[in-house]
Amino acid sequence: NAGVTQTPKFQVLKTGQSMTLQCAQDMNHNSMYWYRQDPGMGLRLIYYSASEGTTDKGEVPNGYNVSRLNKREFSLRLESAAPSQTSVYFCASRAAAGGTQYFGPGTRLTVL
Amino acid sequence: QKEVEQNSGPLSVPEGAIASLNCTYSDRGSQSFFWYRQYSGKSPELIMSIYSNGDKEDGRFTAQLNKASQYVSLLIRDSQPSDSATYLCAVTEGGSARQLTFGSGTQLTVLP
Repeated sequence: NAGVTQTPKFQVLKTGQSMTLQCAQDMNHNSMYWYRQDPGMGLRLIYYSASEGTTDKGEVPNGYNVSRLNKREFSLRLESAAPSQTSVYFCASRAAAGGTQYFGPGTRLTVL
Repeated sequence: QKEVEQNSGPLSVPEGAIASLNCTYSDRGSQSFFWYRQYSGKSPELIMSIYSNGDKEDGRFTAQLNKASQYVSLLIRDSQPSDSATYLCAVTEGGSARQLTFGSGTQLTVLP
């Protein structure tokens, strides 16, 4: 099992460009999450999907959209990138509420 | 807003010593507690979970939970240089798929 995979690993964008970060899990987990991690800020939740077909906002959703394409895949889209979105983005999944959350390897995004 | 507080460190201990990491949380409804380890440039990985008051031991790691004081800690016995990492405390409400709330992490350095 690959666990949680993310693509791309690194990305550089110019202000105003758009892109989609891809995430997939092969653990048959119901819940999936997108976090961003900034120095000294810990992990902050952007969006989550409790189950296939549902998505909800987290702590910092502005400037992002998500799609739960199917049970395996959960994508994060930046429609018009801004320098403030420079960060490391982690996708995670969890089988059940209160259970262990597993993280992908992360995407390091720089917006110039 | 739910908060999880950790001392940012850095915390330095000599090899073979006990490292003690502390975390407090604000939401009395929290029921699940996790410690993640994150090496520089890597994704968080779960090392301990604890759900009830008291101690839980796993090898060199012991998690301690005191819900009355809203306090959770992690002890690392016989610390090794390979334990040098950032340790993230995370808390969630029981039965909630919503999210983990993370602390900002404590950076631990184990000196050879």
